[in-house]
Amino acid sequence: DQQVKQNSPSLSVQEGRISILNCDYTNSMFDYFLWYKKYPAEGPTFLISISSIKDKNEDGRFTVFLNKSAKHLSLHIVPSQPGDSAVYFCAARYWDTNAGKSTFGDGTTLTVKP
Amino acid sequence: GAGVSQSPRYKVAKRGQDVALRCDPISGHVSLFWYQQALGQGPEFLTYFQNEAQLDKSGLPSDRFFAERPEGSVSTLKIQRTQQEDSAVYLCASGTDNQPQHFGDGTRLSIL
Repeated sequence: DQQVKQNSPSLSVQEGRISILNCDYTNSMFDYFLWYKKYPAEGPTFLISISSIKDKNEDGRFTVFLNKSAKHLSLHIVPSQPGDSAVYFCAARYWDTNAGKSTFGDGTTLTVKP
Repeated sequence: GAGVSQSPRYKVAKRGQDVALRCDPISGHVSLFWYQQALGQGPEFLTYFQNEAQLDKSGLPSDRFFAERPEGSVSTLKIQRTQQEDSAVYLCASGTDNQPQHFGDGTRLSIL
Protein backbone atom coordinates (compact mmCIF):
# COMPACT_ATOMS: atom_id res chain seq x y z
CA ASP A 1 0.00 0.00 0.00
CA GLN A 2 1.72 3.13 -1.24
CA GLN A 3 1.19 5.93 1.25
CA VAL A 4 2.50 8.73 -0.96
CA LYS A 5 1.41 8.81 -4.58
CA GLN A 6 2.45 10.93 -7.51
CA ASN A 7 0.00 9.90 -10.19
CA SER A 8 1.61 11.72 -13.09
CA PRO A 9 4.88 10.07 -14.12
CA SER A 10 5.75 12.96 -16.41
CA LEU A 11 4.89 16.57 -17.18
CA SER A 12 5.98 18.77 -20.06
CA VAL A 13 5.73 22.57 -19.87
CA GLN A 14 6.83 25.49 -22.00
CA GLU A 15 9.49 27.80 -20.61
CA GLY A 16 7.95 30.73 -18.77
CA ARG A 17 4.68 28.95 -18.00
CA ILE A 18 3.55 27.43 -14.69
CA SER A 19 4.44 23.87 -13.73
CA ILE A 20 2.09 22.14 -11.29
CA LEU A 21 3.17 18.85 -9.75
CA ASN A 22 0.70 16.92 -7.63
CA CYS A 23 1.00 14.51 -4.73
CA ASP A 24 -1.57 12.57 -2.71
CA TYR A 25 -1.09 10.79 0.58
CA THR A 26 -3.19 8.31 2.51
CA ASN A 27 -1.73 8.42 6.02
CA SER A 28 -3.42 11.19 7.99
CA MET A 29 -0.67 11.00 10.62
CA PHE A 30 1.85 12.60 8.27
CA ASP A 31 2.41 16.16 9.40
CA TYR A 32 5.42 17.36 7.45
CA PHE A 33 5.83 17.31 3.69
CA LEU A 34 8.83 17.90 1.47
CA TRP A 35 9.65 18.23 -2.20
CA TYR A 36 12.99 17.04 -3.55
CA LYS A 37 14.48 17.60 -6.98
CA LYS A 38 16.73 15.01 -8.58
CA TYR A 39 19.01 15.25 -11.59
CA PRO A 40 20.28 12.07 -13.29
CA ALA A 41 23.12 10.30 -11.45
CA GLU A 42 22.76 12.62 -8.46
CA GLY A 43 21.01 12.28 -5.14
CA PRO A 44 17.78 14.14 -4.37
CA THR A 45 18.21 17.72 -3.18
CA PHE A 46 15.76 19.41 -0.87
CA LEU A 47 13.58 22.04 -2.52
CA ILE A 48 10.80 23.20 -0.21
CA SER A 49 8.73 21.91 2.68
CA ILE A 50 5.49 22.58 4.51
CA SER A 51 4.16 21.57 7.89
CA SER A 52 0.57 20.56 8.45
CA ILE A 53 -0.19 23.73 10.37
CA LYS A 54 0.16 25.72 7.16
CA ASP A 55 -1.59 25.56 3.82
CA LYS A 56 0.99 27.42 1.77
CA ASN A 57 4.72 27.97 1.75
CA GLU A 58 6.57 30.06 -0.79
CA ASP A 59 10.25 30.28 -1.69
CA GLY A 60 11.07 32.33 -4.76
CA ARG A 61 9.61 30.66 -7.83
CA PHE A 62 8.46 27.64 -5.81
CA THR A 63 5.21 27.43 -3.84
CA VAL A 64 3.82 24.38 -2.10
CA PHE A 65 0.12 24.13 -1.27
CA LEU A 66 -1.32 21.69 1.24
CA ASN A 67 -4.97 20.60 1.41
CA LYS A 68 -5.19 18.43 4.51
CA SER A 69 -8.85 17.51 4.11
CA ALA A 70 -8.12 16.16 0.65
CA LYS A 71 -4.72 14.75 1.67
CA HIS A 72 -3.26 16.50 -1.33
CA LEU A 73 -0.31 18.76 -1.93
CA SER A 74 1.02 20.46 -5.00
CA LEU A 75 4.20 22.21 -6.07
CA HIS A 76 3.92 25.24 -8.32
CA ILE A 77 6.91 26.54 -10.25
CA VAL A 78 6.46 29.98 -11.79
CA PRO A 79 7.96 30.81 -14.19
CA SER A 80 9.34 27.46 -15.30
CA GLN A 81 12.90 27.40 -16.63
CA PRO A 82 14.75 24.73 -18.65
CA GLY A 83 17.05 24.15 -15.67
CA ASP A 84 14.00 23.00 -13.70
CA SER A 85 13.88 19.86 -15.85
CA ALA A 86 14.40 17.02 -13.37
CA VAL A 87 12.55 14.36 -11.41
CA TYR A 88 10.54 15.79 -8.51
CA PHE A 89 9.79 13.64 -5.49
CA CYS A 90 7.13 14.34 -2.92
CA ALA A 91 7.90 13.01 0.58
CA ALA A 92 6.03 12.88 3.86
CA ARG A 93 7.00 12.15 7.42
CA TYR A 94 6.04 12.49 11.05
CA TRP A 95 7.60 15.62 12.53
CA ASP A 96 8.50 14.28 15.95
CA THR A 97 9.99 10.86 15.28
CA ASN A 98 13.75 10.55 15.05
CA ALA A 99 14.20 13.49 12.70
CA GLY A 100 11.70 11.70 10.55
CA LYS A 101 12.22 8.87 8.16
CA SER A 102 10.55 10.01 4.98
CA THR A 103 8.11 8.16 2.76
CA PHE A 104 8.58 9.07 -0.89
CA GLY A 105 6.37 9.03 -3.94
CA ASP A 106 7.68 7.55 -7.18
CA GLY A 107 8.44 10.92 -8.72
CA THR A 108 7.29 13.07 -11.61
CA THR A 109 9.67 13.85 -14.45
CA LEU A 110 9.34 17.51 -15.41
CA THR A 111 10.54 18.67 -18.81
CA VAL A 112 10.63 22.41 -19.45
CA LYS A 113 10.93 23.16 -23.15
CA PRO A 114 12.78 26.31 -24.28
CA GLY B 1 33.98 17.87 0.48
CA ALA B 2 31.03 19.52 2.15
CA GLY B 3 28.37 17.06 1.05
CA VAL B 4 27.46 13.44 1.75
CA SER B 5 29.94 11.16 0.02
CA GLN B 6 29.16 7.59 -1.03
CA SER B 7 31.50 4.97 -2.40
CA PRO B 8 31.75 3.18 -4.66
CA ARG B 9 29.55 5.01 -7.16
CA TYR B 10 29.00 1.79 -9.08
CA LYS B 11 29.29 -1.79 -7.93
CA VAL B 12 28.79 -4.94 -9.97
CA ALA B 13 28.70 -8.25 -8.13
CA LYS B 14 27.79 -11.81 -8.93
CA ARG B 15 24.78 -13.34 -7.24
CA GLY B 16 25.80 -14.80 -3.92
CA GLN B 17 28.67 -12.41 -3.27
CA ASP B 18 28.80 -10.04 -0.29
CA VAL B 19 29.03 -6.27 -0.87
CA ALA B 20 29.78 -3.29 1.36
CA LEU B 21 28.66 0.23 0.61
CA ARG B 22 30.18 3.23 2.38
CA CYS B 23 28.67 6.56 3.41
CA ASP B 24 30.57 9.59 4.70
CA PRO B 25 27.98 11.99 6.12
CA ILE B 26 28.31 15.73 6.47
CA SER B 27 30.56 16.51 9.42
CA GLY B 28 28.58 17.04 12.59
CA HIS B 29 25.37 15.49 11.31
CA VAL B 30 23.89 13.30 14.00
CA SER B 31 21.29 11.53 11.89
CA LEU B 32 22.11 9.12 9.09
CA PHE B 33 19.65 7.30 6.86
CA TRP B 34 19.95 4.59 4.23
CA TYR B 35 17.40 4.32 1.42
CA GLN B 36 16.99 1.86 -1.45
CA GLN B 37 15.75 3.20 -4.77
CA ALA B 38 14.57 0.75 -7.39
CA LEU B 39 14.38 1.81 -11.02
CA GLY B 40 11.43 4.13 -11.64
CA GLN B 41 10.50 4.36 -7.98
CA GLY B 42 11.12 6.70 -5.11
CA PRO B 43 13.64 6.05 -2.34
CA GLU B 44 12.47 3.56 0.28
CA PHE B 45 13.66 3.80 3.87
CA LEU B 46 15.98 1.07 5.07
CA THR B 47 17.48 2.15 8.39
CA TYR B 48 18.28 5.14 10.61
CA PHE B 49 21.13 5.99 12.97
CA GLN B 50 21.39 8.67 15.57
CA ASN B 51 25.12 8.94 16.23
CA GLU B 52 26.25 5.31 16.58
CA ALA B 53 22.87 3.99 17.70
CA GLN B 54 20.73 2.24 15.12
CA LEU B 55 17.29 3.44 16.20
CA ASP B 56 15.20 2.07 13.37
CA LYS B 57 15.93 -0.82 11.02
CA SER B 58 12.36 -1.58 10.10
CA GLY B 59 12.98 -1.06 6.39
CA LEU B 60 15.75 -3.62 5.97
CA PRO B 61 14.22 -6.20 3.61
CA SER B 62 15.89 -9.28 5.06
CA ASP B 63 18.53 -10.44 7.51
CA ARG B 64 21.01 -10.37 4.63
CA PHE B 65 21.11 -6.59 5.05
CA PHE B 66 23.20 -5.15 7.86
CA ALA B 67 24.21 -1.57 8.61
CA GLU B 68 26.63 -0.11 11.12
CA ARG B 69 27.98 3.25 12.20
CA PRO B 70 30.45 2.30 14.94
CA GLU B 71 31.92 5.74 15.68
CA GLY B 72 28.91 7.83 14.85
CA SER B 73 30.26 9.17 11.58
CA VAL B 74 31.00 6.86 8.62
CA SER B 75 28.39 4.17 7.97
CA THR B 76 28.57 0.92 6.04
CA LEU B 77 25.66 -0.97 4.54
CA LYS B 78 26.49 -4.62 3.99
CA ILE B 79 24.49 -7.03 1.90
CA GLN B 80 25.32 -10.71 2.23
CA ARG B 81 24.64 -13.40 -0.36
CA THR B 82 23.37 -10.85 -2.85
CA GLN B 83 20.40 -11.64 -5.06
CA GLN B 84 19.23 -10.07 -8.30
CA GLU B 85 16.40 -8.21 -6.57
CA ASP B 86 19.02 -6.34 -4.55
CA SER B 87 19.95 -4.41 -7.70
CA ALA B 88 19.10 -0.77 -7.00
CA VAL B 89 20.59 2.59 -6.13
CA TYR B 90 21.44 2.82 -2.45
CA LEU B 91 21.18 6.35 -1.11
CA CYS B 92 22.62 7.67 2.10
CA ALA B 93 21.37 10.86 3.73
CA SER B 94 22.48 12.78 6.78
CA GLY B 95 20.83 15.49 8.80
CA THR B 96 20.56 17.37 12.06
CA ASP B 97 17.61 18.00 14.36
CA ASN B 98 14.47 17.90 12.23
CA GLN B 99 15.95 19.63 9.22
CA PRO B 100 15.59 18.14 5.73
CA GLN B 101 18.10 15.45 4.95
CA HIS B 102 21.07 15.92 2.64
CA PHE B 103 21.50 13.05 0.22
CA GLY B 104 24.60 11.59 -1.34
CA ASP B 105 24.71 10.69 -5.03
CA GLY B 106 24.16 7.01 -4.27
CA THR B 107 25.78 3.70 -5.11
CA ARG B 108 24.32 1.90 -8.11
CA LEU B 109 24.46 -1.82 -7.33
CA SER B 110 24.01 -4.36 -10.11
CA ILE B 111 23.79 -8.05 -9.30
CA LEU B 112 24.48 -10.39 -12.21
